[in-house]
Amino acid sequence: EAQVTQNPRYLITVTGKKLTVTCSQNMNHEYMSWYRQDPGLGLRQIYYSMNVEVTDKGDVPEGYKVSRKEKRNFPLILESPSPNQTSLYFCASMGQRYEQYFGPGTRLTVT
Amino acid sequence: DQQVKQNSPSLSVQEGRISILNCDYTNSMFDYFLWYKKYPAEGPTFLISISSIKDKNEDGRFTVFLNKSAKHLSLHIVPSQPGDSAVYFCAAGVSGTYKYIFGTGTRLKVLA
Repeated sequence: EAQVTQNPRYLITVTGKKLTVTCSQNMNHEYMSWYRQDPGLGLRQIYYSMNVEVTDKGDVPEGYKVSRKEKRNFPLILESPSPNQTSLYFCASMGQRYEQYFGPGTRLTVT
Repeated sequence: DQQVKQNSPSLSVQEGRISILNCDYTNSMFDYFLWYKKYPAEGPTFLISISSIKDKNEDGRFTVFLNKSAKHLSLHIVPSQPGDSAVYFCAAGVSGTYKYIFGTGTRLKVLA
């Protein structure tokens, strides 16, 4: 089954404790992206990657890092999480018609 | 500065009637537009798209209309079904740049 998976689905952590949210796709897509969804703000792009070792900033990259060492995986790293990074995070990969396939989401709470 | 706007946070429609969801954009460089549907506790799923060379695209019960001069697009769902109840996001981008801006979403409720 073609899918994008994210782990963990839920995470509660404390300020400053480094964390990684994993993302994997099995569709051999070159493009992948991370978004955060906040009430009243819709989906905002954090980072995207056009291929292995090629990444670029989206609209809200501050406080986040990404890496793309292999085509299927695109982890999101929060080196020092802060409460304003409490959000719902989605990973996505893009098909040939520019449509994006989203993962199920990771709900992160930073206290 | 919100480049893609969905001004109606919510919409209620009777089953069998037409649902019309609207989206406005400000950036005239946008040339590709997409609609996504999102159920609670799931990621958004792609619904339908349209490029700026067209003014209409149809897929079953879903039709997207694009009015470039007004910088406006709309999604029509006919007939609406209770299973269509979800949050709908429009997204706009410039093809080839891989950056897409999403609207804030419209919650559609289809009443049985």
